[in-house]
Amino acid sequence: QSVLTQPPSVSGTPGQRVAISCSGSSSNIGSNIVNWYHHLPGAAPKLLIYTNNQRPSGVPDRISGSKSGTSASLAISGLQSGDEGQYYCASWDDRLSDWVFGGGTKLTVL
Amino acid sequence: QLQLQESGPGLVKPSETLSLTCTVSGDSISSSRYYWGWIRQSPGRGLQWIGTVFYTGRTYYSPSLKSRLTISIDTSKNQFSLKLSSVTAADTAIYYCARLDGGPTVQTRFDYWGQGTLVTVSS
Repeated sequence: QSVLTQPPSVSGTPGQRVAISCSGSSSNIGSNIVNWYHHLPGAAPKLLIYTNNQRPSGVPDRISGSKSGTSASLAISGLQSGDEGQYYCASWDDRLSDWVFGGGTKLTVL
Repeated sequence: QLQLQESGPGLVKPSETLSLTCTVSGDSISSSRYYWGWIRQSPGRGLQWIGTVFYTGRTYYSPSLKSRLTISIDTSKNQFSLKLSSVTAADTAIYYCARLDGGPTVQTRFDYWGQGTLVTVSS
């Protein structure tokens, strides 16, 4: 049971926009930043969004992040087949003194 | 291009110590900007932060693993290591090493990861 709650799966067709939600509490998302990661099996996880809405160099601007209260969201527009994979949110939890992660959302491009 | 590579035994017996090393290439592990960490992923628990180390040797551990955990750093080899003692089947997971940019905990992010190595705890 993950501390942060994500939908198990989302899907969309090429070109569409999808959003992945991440729900937490006042001790994690409500107090601290949120980061998002993309992961394909057998590969190194990749940082997509940091500090709620910042994109690392090389991440296209069709990928965006937002945070409001105790929830965060990752949006991907202009969906491409290369966007498939698992997406994870993460935040520091002040009560646990630990990093907490979402359970992951599998994105399928139909 | 920064690369991180995990190495170590893929099979560890229950009650023994799990030992892994992360070799960093493309950047100096002695940088005062970055921290270096371990994360694992298991089917039952998902992603779990294990701990983080700075080039000075200062460490930050997950409370849930702290009693069994030692993370160290060897700047001469550009490596950092993980030792987890008294392992059980619950420690079976893919273990990742990563670089942290932004500090050791609250405001940071794991910006580069290794590909991970599967460690199975079984007799």
